[in-house]
Amino acid sequence: GQQVMQIPQYQHVQEGEDFTTYCNSSTTLSNIQWYKQRPGGHPVFLIQLVKSGEVKKQKRLTFQFGEAKKNSSLHITATQTTDVGTYFCAGRAGGTSYGKLTFGQGTILTVHP
Amino acid sequence: SQTIHQWPATLVQPVGSPLSLECTVEGTSNPNLYWYRQAAGRGLQLLFYSVGIGQISSEVPQNLSASRPQDRQFILSSKKLLLSDSGFYLCAWGRANYGYTFGSGTRLTVV
Repeated sequence: GQQVMQIPQYQHVQEGEDFTTYCNSSTTLSNIQWYKQRPGGHPVFLIQLVKSGEVKKQKRLTFQFGEAKKNSSLHITATQTTDVGTYFCAGRAGGTSYGKLTFGQGTILTVHP
Repeated sequence: SQTIHQWPATLVQPVGSPLSLECTVEGTSNPNLYWYRQAAGRGLQLLFYSVGIGQISSEVPQNLSASRPQDRQFILSSKKLLLSDSGFYLCAWGRANYGYTFGSGTRLTVV
């Protein structure tokens, strides 16, 4: 079945440093989504990428979808303590709109002030 | 606007006891609904999903079952809990090509 691998599993940074998490799928994806889960909270949808090579930005967050639509990355510039949490990617391999999302294992980000 | 309600927030249950977790969605009709489980510090494991009343697809054979008695109600159940059933249970609605909205979750500890 479809697998989505996410690295690194953990990342500790000093406030102000940059952070990147990578997501790789075993199959070509129709779309990829990113979620953020604050400590003790539930995952919250951040963004969706659909097109090959797509790049989207949300303030200090930059999301990329690979040309082959099998990988993606999330980059945070100048991290802040409010960025702490677990970041998940989730991909859909195709099919109907209710095709299942496969989630990566997540990257747990810790930001030291 | 659409909202999703999940309860209870926390639950401590003895081994062998039954379980019933409920999730309801407001502000939308015929939503796709999902139950996920998250072990501590781990990713999200899809347990069940439903595209309509009475339609349940199971992803992982285990000690749990799900039902959808009404359009916007999704229930996760167990007849006899195991220690390994402990975890953070999340209900979600949405479409894989549009994004999921998660409920606030239930932290279940089986003792």
